[in-house]
Amino acid sequence: EAQVTQNPRYLITVTGKKLTVTCSQNMNHEYMSWYRQDPGLGLRQIYYSMNVEVTDKGDVPEGYKVSRKEKRNFPLILESPSPNQTSLYFCASSSPYSEQFFGPGTRLTVL
Amino acid sequence: SQQGEEDPQALSIQEGENATMNCSYKTSINNLQWYRQNSGRGLVHLILIRSNEREKHSGRLRVTLDTSKKSSSLLITASRAADTASYFCATAAGNKLTFGGGTRVLVKP
Repeated sequence: EAQVTQNPRYLITVTGKKLTVTCSQNMNHEYMSWYRQDPGLGLRQIYYSMNVEVTDKGDVPEGYKVSRKEKRNFPLILESPSPNQTSLYFCASSSPYSEQFFGPGTRLTVL
Repeated sequence: SQQGEEDPQALSIQEGENATMNCSYKTSINNLQWYRQNSGRGLVHLILIRSNEREKHSGRLRVTLDTSKKSSSLLITASRAADTASYFCATAAGNKLTFGGGTRVLVKP
């Protein structure tokens, strides 16, 4: 089954404790991206990647890191999480200029 | 600021009625996409319309695109309770996809 998976689905952590949210897709898509969704603000793009070893900043990249060492994986790293990074995070993948396939989301709470 | 802005922000209709929502954007685009999101879940792609297309249909969905006005509309005909969701437009420009704030649609049985 074609899908985008994210782990964990739910995470509660404390300020400053490094964390990684994994994202994996099995559709051989070149394009992957991370979004955060906050009430009243819609989805905002954090980072995106056009292919392996090619990443670029989205609209809200501060406080986040990404890597794209393999085509199927695109982890999101929070080196020192802060409470304002409490949000619902989505990973997505697609072929260039095509519909995006979204993961189920990761609900992160930073205390 | 967001590239796409949906209007209205919320819409409440009776089952069987049509629902129309609009999306305006600011810069040139490659395509415009519409997505649906049920509460707290991942987004599901509905329709993609390219910049050289003016109208597209998929089942009960009809999307129009007017590049001269930089606007698009999504029409859901004969709505059902299961159509209750948030609907987002997203504009693709270069390598980026930018989402609007969404329209919350409530279909009352």
